[in-house]
Amino acid sequence: GIQVEQSPPDLILQEGANSTLRCNFSDSVNNLQWFHQNPWGQLINLFYIPSGTKQNGRLSATTVATERYSLLYISSSQTTDSGVYFCELGNDMRFGAGTRLTVKP
Amino acid sequence: NAGVTQTPKFQVLKTGQSMTLQCAQDMNHEYMSWYRQDPGMGLRLIHYSVGAGITDQGEVPNGYNVSRSTTEDFPLRLLSAAPSQTSVYFCASSPDRATFTGELFFGEGSRLTVL
Repeated sequence: GIQVEQSPPDLILQEGANSTLRCNFSDSVNNLQWFHQNPWGQLINLFYIPSGTKQNGRLSATTVATERYSLLYISSSQTTDSGVYFCELGNDMRFGAGTRLTVKP
Repeated sequence: NAGVTQTPKFQVLKTGQSMTLQCAQDMNHEYMSWYRQDPGMGLRLIHYSVGAGITDQGEVPNGYNVSRSTTEDFPLRLLSAAPSQTSVYFCASSPDRATFTGELFFGEGSRLTVL
């Protein structure tokens, strides 16, 4: 199956800082999603982004399928951004191990 | 629309007991799946279905059974629970996963503890 790696595994930020989360994968994909798992365990869809760039408020994502990576950008982070961020490769129905983000006030 | 609904949200079982986790979706999605999430880990696929009457195994199918008699429902059965099955279980659905290109939507999860 396709290997998927997320980095960094843990990230601690002060409120207001920007961050970039990365998802690398070992083979071509035509289905990639980013999810946020909040501290209560809910999985929230952020982006369905098999290629290109999308933006939603302070969050944006870019997938470069030919180079086998996707990036999630969080700008002006808030404490409510805390949680774990997962990328999921739909072709292989496989999740990365996640990036745990902690935003401190 | 309620989306994807899972019941129960919490369950405690004794080793050897059986139970069924229910999952229902009202979005007319063809694809449904079950994942488990263990502490500090990502989600791992247990079983999935691309339509009524069709099911297949995922990465960690042992100890679990599924069936798909309707488009709306996809129950997960534990026939003889083991402590290793203590986990949080998520059900998901997608409008078009037959070609694995559809967006995935999740239920709120079911926390199972096996003593």
